[in-house]
Amino acid sequence: KAGVTQTPRYLIKTRGQQVTLSCSPISGHRSVSWYQQTPGQGLQFLFEYFSETQRNKGNFPGRFSGRQFSNSRSEMNVSTLELGDSALYLCASSFRTGGSNTEAFFGQGTRLTVV
Amino acid sequence: SQKIEQNSEALNIQEGKTATLTCNYTNYSPAYLQWYRQDPGRGPVFLLLIRENEKEKRKERLKVTFDTTLKQSLFHITASQPADSATYLCAFSLNGATNKLIFGTGTLLAVQP
Repeated sequence: KAGVTQTPRYLIKTRGQQVTLSCSPISGHRSVSWYQQTPGQGLQFLFEYFSETQRNKGNFPGRFSGRQFSNSRSEMNVSTLELGDSALYLCASSFRTGGSNTEAFFGQGTRLTVV
Repeated sequence: SQKIEQNSEALNIQEGKTATLTCNYTNYSPAYLQWYRQDPGRGPVFLLLIRENEKEKRKERLKVTFDTTLKQSLFHITASQPADSATYLCAFSLNGATNKLIFGTGTLLAVQP
Protein backbone atom coordinates (compact mmCIF):
# COMPACT_ATOMS: atom_id res chain seq x y z
CA LYS A 1 0.00 0.00 0.00
CA ALA A 2 1.47 3.34 -1.00
CA GLY A 3 2.00 5.86 1.79
CA VAL A 4 1.01 9.50 1.96
CA THR A 5 2.49 11.41 -0.96
CA GLN A 6 3.23 15.10 -0.80
CA THR A 7 4.36 17.21 -3.72
CA PRO A 8 6.56 19.00 -4.27
CA ARG A 9 9.22 18.00 -1.74
CA TYR A 10 10.99 21.36 -1.88
CA LEU A 11 9.90 24.84 -2.88
CA ILE A 12 11.54 28.23 -2.91
CA LYS A 13 9.23 31.22 -3.25
CA THR A 14 9.55 34.98 -2.99
CA ARG A 15 7.73 37.10 -0.44
CA GLY A 16 4.31 38.13 -1.70
CA GLN A 17 3.88 35.13 -3.97
CA GLN A 18 1.39 32.35 -3.38
CA VAL A 19 1.96 28.60 -3.21
CA THR A 20 -0.11 25.43 -3.51
CA LEU A 21 0.94 22.18 -1.87
CA SER A 22 -0.57 18.82 -2.68
CA CYS A 23 -1.25 15.71 -0.61
CA SER A 24 -2.46 12.28 -1.73
CA PRO A 25 -3.58 10.22 1.26
CA ILE A 26 -3.31 6.48 1.66
CA SER A 27 -5.88 4.70 -0.47
CA GLY A 28 -9.12 4.37 1.46
CA HIS A 29 -8.31 7.15 3.93
CA ARG A 30 -10.87 9.92 3.91
CA SER A 31 -9.40 12.20 6.56
CA VAL A 32 -6.54 14.56 5.74
CA SER A 33 -4.91 16.97 8.17
CA TRP A 34 -2.21 19.56 7.55
CA TYR A 35 0.49 20.70 9.96
CA GLN A 36 3.21 23.34 9.89
CA GLN A 37 6.53 22.45 11.53
CA THR A 38 9.12 25.08 12.44
CA PRO A 39 12.09 24.92 14.83
CA GLY A 40 10.56 27.57 17.08
CA GLN A 41 6.92 26.51 17.20
CA GLY A 42 7.14 22.78 16.56
CA LEU A 43 4.24 20.99 14.88
CA GLN A 44 1.12 23.12 14.67
CA PHE A 45 -2.26 22.06 13.32
CA LEU A 46 -3.52 23.92 10.25
CA PHE A 47 -6.73 22.17 9.19
CA GLU A 48 -8.53 18.85 8.93
CA TYR A 49 -10.72 17.65 6.09
CA PHE A 50 -13.05 14.70 5.92
CA SER A 51 -15.17 13.85 2.89
CA GLU A 52 -14.44 17.24 1.30
CA THR A 53 -15.56 19.17 4.41
CA GLN A 54 -13.29 21.17 6.66
CA ARG A 55 -13.89 19.84 10.16
CA ASN A 56 -11.31 21.82 12.09
CA LYS A 57 -9.10 24.82 11.58
CA GLY A 58 -6.06 25.88 13.55
CA ASN A 59 -5.05 29.34 14.63
CA PHE A 60 -3.55 30.58 11.38
CA PRO A 61 -4.35 33.70 9.35
CA GLY A 62 -6.78 33.60 6.47
CA ARG A 63 -3.85 33.50 4.02
CA PHE A 64 -3.75 29.77 4.75
CA SER A 65 -6.51 27.81 3.08
CA GLY A 66 -7.16 24.29 1.98
CA ARG A 67 -9.56 22.00 0.25
CA GLN A 68 -10.23 18.33 -0.30
CA PHE A 69 -11.41 16.68 -3.48
CA SER A 70 -13.83 13.82 -3.96
CA ASN A 71 -10.92 11.35 -4.29
CA SER A 72 -9.69 12.53 -0.84
CA ARG A 73 -6.64 14.27 -2.29
CA SER A 74 -6.05 17.59 -0.59
CA GLU A 75 -4.35 20.86 -1.38
CA MET A 76 -3.35 23.75 0.81
CA ASN A 77 -2.69 27.25 -0.40
CA VAL A 78 -0.75 30.07 1.18
CA SER A 79 -1.21 33.50 -0.35
CA THR A 80 0.94 36.60 0.07
CA LEU A 81 3.85 34.62 1.44
CA GLU A 82 5.86 36.00 4.35
CA LEU A 83 9.35 35.05 5.48
CA GLY A 84 7.83 33.45 8.57
CA ASP A 85 5.92 30.98 6.42
CA SER A 86 9.17 29.11 5.77
CA ALA A 87 8.56 25.70 7.29
CA LEU A 88 8.05 22.01 6.71
CA TYR A 89 4.42 21.43 5.79
CA LEU A 90 3.19 17.97 6.69
CA CYS A 91 0.10 16.17 5.59
CA ALA A 92 -1.38 13.30 7.59
CA SER A 93 -4.08 10.88 6.56
CA SER A 94 -6.33 8.74 8.73
CA PHE A 95 -8.92 6.13 7.92
CA ARG A 96 -11.77 8.02 9.54
CA THR A 97 -12.46 10.97 11.73
CA GLY A 98 -12.06 10.42 15.42
CA GLY A 99 -12.81 7.24 17.30
CA SER A 100 -10.21 4.98 18.79
CA ASN A 101 -8.45 4.44 15.50
CA THR A 102 -6.98 7.91 15.18
CA GLU A 103 -3.49 6.84 14.13
CA ALA A 104 -2.16 9.39 11.66
CA PHE A 105 0.10 8.51 8.75
CA PHE A 106 2.34 11.39 7.75
CA GLY A 107 3.90 12.19 4.43
CA GLN A 108 7.51 13.26 3.94
CA GLY A 109 6.48 16.89 3.93
CA THR A 110 7.07 19.85 1.66
CA ARG A 111 9.94 22.09 2.67
CA LEU A 112 8.92 25.66 1.80
CA THR A 113 11.51 28.41 1.86
CA VAL A 114 10.38 32.01 1.43
CA VAL A 115 13.08 34.48 0.40
CA SER B 1 -3.55 28.51 27.95
CA GLN B 2 -3.23 24.92 26.80
CA LYS B 3 0.31 23.62 26.89
CA ILE B 4 2.23 20.38 26.32
CA GLU B 5 5.81 20.08 27.51
CA GLN B 6 8.27 17.29 26.94
CA ASN B 7 10.86 16.92 29.65
CA SER B 8 13.92 18.00 27.81
CA GLU B 9 15.07 18.98 24.38
CA ALA B 10 17.70 16.23 24.35
CA LEU B 11 18.36 12.99 26.19
CA ASN B 12 21.58 11.00 25.94
CA ILE B 13 21.75 7.40 27.15
CA GLN B 14 23.98 4.36 26.77
CA GLU B 15 22.99 1.47 24.55
CA GLY B 16 21.12 -1.20 26.47
CA LYS B 17 19.67 1.20 29.04
CA THR B 18 16.04 2.23 29.34
CA ALA B 19 15.15 5.63 27.93
CA THR B 20 12.31 7.44 29.69
CA LEU B 21 10.70 10.44 28.05
CA THR B 22 8.15 12.64 29.77
CA CYS B 23 5.17 14.53 28.43
CA ASN B 24 3.31 16.94 30.73
CA TYR B 25 0.19 18.85 29.90
CA THR B 26 -1.84 21.65 31.45
CA ASN B 27 -5.36 22.91 30.83
CA TYR B 28 -6.26 19.86 28.77
CA SER B 29 -8.53 16.89 29.19
CA PRO B 30 -7.22 14.71 26.39
CA ALA B 31 -9.17 11.73 25.19
CA TYR B 32 -6.22 10.05 23.55
CA LEU B 33 -2.49 10.38 23.77
CA GLN B 34 -0.13 9.29 21.02
CA TRP B 35 3.63 8.99 20.64
CA TYR B 36 5.43 9.50 17.36
CA ARG B 37 8.99 9.14 16.20
CA GLN B 38 10.49 11.61 13.75
CA ASP B 39 13.79 11.26 11.92
CA PRO B 40 15.51 14.28 10.33
CA GLY B 41 13.85 15.38 7.11
CA ARG B 42 10.99 12.92 7.45
CA GLY B 43 7.42 13.00 8.68
CA PRO B 44 6.49 11.61 12.12
CA VAL B 45 5.80 7.88 12.38
CA PHE B 46 3.11 6.60 14.76
CA LEU B 47 4.30 4.39 17.62
CA LEU B 48 1.62 3.97 20.28
CA LEU B 49 -1.82 5.27 21.26
CA ILE B 50 -3.31 5.18 24.75
CA ARG B 51 -6.77 6.23 25.83
CA GLU B 52 -7.58 8.29 28.92
CA ASN B 53 -9.07 5.26 30.67
CA GLU B 54 -5.98 3.12 30.06
CA LYS B 55 -3.04 3.23 32.45
CA GLU B 56 -0.42 1.48 30.35
CA LYS B 57 0.19 0.20 26.81
CA ARG B 58 3.05 -1.93 25.51
CA LYS B 59 4.44 -2.79 22.12
CA GLU B 60 7.64 -4.80 21.88
CA ARG B 61 10.34 -2.68 23.62
CA LEU B 62 8.04 0.31 23.99
CA LYS B 63 5.80 1.16 26.92
CA VAL B 64 3.64 4.21 27.50
CA THR B 65 1.76 5.24 30.64
CA PHE B 66 -0.95 7.84 31.02
CA ASP B 67 -1.69 9.43 34.40
CA THR B 68 -4.62 11.85 34.15
CA THR B 69 -4.19 12.86 37.81
CA LEU B 70 -0.58 13.93 37.33
CA LYS B 71 -1.41 15.14 33.79
CA GLN B 72 1.58 13.22 32.54
CA SER B 73 2.59 10.50 30.11
CA LEU B 74 5.81 8.54 30.28
CA PHE B 75 7.32 6.80 27.27
CA HIS B 76 9.88 4.06 27.85
CA ILE B 77 12.20 2.34 25.41
CA THR B 78 13.85 -0.69 27.01
CA ALA B 79 17.15 -2.18 25.84
CA SER B 80 17.73 0.94 23.76
CA GLN B 81 19.77 0.75 20.57
CA PRO B 82 21.58 3.41 18.50
CA ALA B 83 18.84 2.92 15.87
CA ASP B 84 16.36 4.32 18.41
CA SER B 85 18.05 7.72 18.13
CA ALA B 86 15.44 10.18 16.85
CA THR B 87 13.07 12.89 18.02
CA TYR B 88 10.06 11.60 19.92
CA LEU B 89 6.84 13.58 19.98
CA CYS B 90 3.80 13.21 22.19
CA ALA B 91 0.47 14.36 20.85
CA PHE B 92 -3.05 14.70 22.19
CA SER B 93 -6.41 14.27 20.65
CA LEU B 94 -8.99 16.14 22.68
CA ASN B 95 -12.01 14.11 21.69
CA GLY B 96 -13.14 11.24 19.56
CA ALA B 97 -14.75 13.40 16.90
CA THR B 98 -11.61 14.83 15.36
CA ASN B 99 -8.19 13.78 14.15
CA LYS B 100 -6.69 17.12 15.17
CA LEU B 101 -3.50 16.47 17.14
CA ILE B 102 -1.81 18.88 19.52
CA PHE B 103 1.89 18.11 19.62
CA GLY B 104 4.49 18.52 22.30
CA THR B 105 7.82 20.15 21.63
CA GLY B 106 9.66 16.87 21.14
CA THR B 107 12.64 15.20 22.80
CA LEU B 108 15.76 14.35 20.81
CA LEU B 109 17.01 10.97 22.01
CA ALA B 110 20.61 9.97 21.33
CA VAL B 111 21.62 6.40 22.17
CA GLN B 112 25.39 6.04 22.42
CA PRO B 113 26.95 2.70 21.43
